[in-house]
Amino acid sequence: SAVISQKPSRDICQRGTSLTIQCQVDSQVTMMFWYRQQPGQSLTLIATANQGSEATYESGFVIDKFPISRPNLTFSTLTVSNMSPEDSSIYLCSVLGPRPSGANVLTFGAGSRLTVL
Amino acid sequence: RKEVEQDPGPFNVPEGATVAFNCTYSNSASQSFFWYRQDCRKEPKLLMSVYSSGNEDGRFTAQLNRASQYISLLIRDSKLSDSATYLCSEDSSYKLIFGSGTRLLVRP
Repeated sequence: SAVISQKPSRDICQRGTSLTIQCQVDSQVTMMFWYRQQPGQSLTLIATANQGSEATYESGFVIDKFPISRPNLTFSTLTVSNMSPEDSSIYLCSVLGPRPSGANVLTFGAGSRLTVL
Repeated sequence: RKEVEQDPGPFNVPEGATVAFNCTYSNSASQSFFWYRQDCRKEPKLLMSVYSSGNEDGRFTAQLNRASQYISLLIRDSKLSDSATYLCSEDSSYKLIFGSGTRLLVRP
């Protein structure tokens, strides 16, 4: 499966600022996904990032708040804009890739733990 | 109604016990289902895929019941190292929707 590097691994930010999270994959992948996991909660999909087109956002998430870039098939960024304490969460990059069996499965990066004061 | 629902637990079992989790889903068109394991402060990692015929991998067995729209995970001979949160997910048009997770605690 793909190896995903995410950074920063953690950060503490002041409200009103913005933070960009980077996700680097060791192979070319078509579909990349950004998830959020708030404390004690499960994973919520923010958006799907495909190379060469705008990201597709899920209900409750908008581009102005979470702009995403996908300049090539191995890299993506997620920006959390104008942060508030409610944005404190773990943000996870993930990719859909094939396994030897042929089925597509989702692999996650280690996540970026964001705390907004 | 949530798309994927799980009992949050925690399930507190002794070593060697057999434990089972269920997960219900609402999208009858979903074809693929997965169980992920998430350790504390770590990212989720794929445990098993679940297809219509079910799947077994050592002490772990995953099954799909389409008629009742649920998947299950059975863990036999529980080990201390099985303590984690188990997330079920469904493949909804190439994006995975996750349940809230079931926490398992295996005690000595």
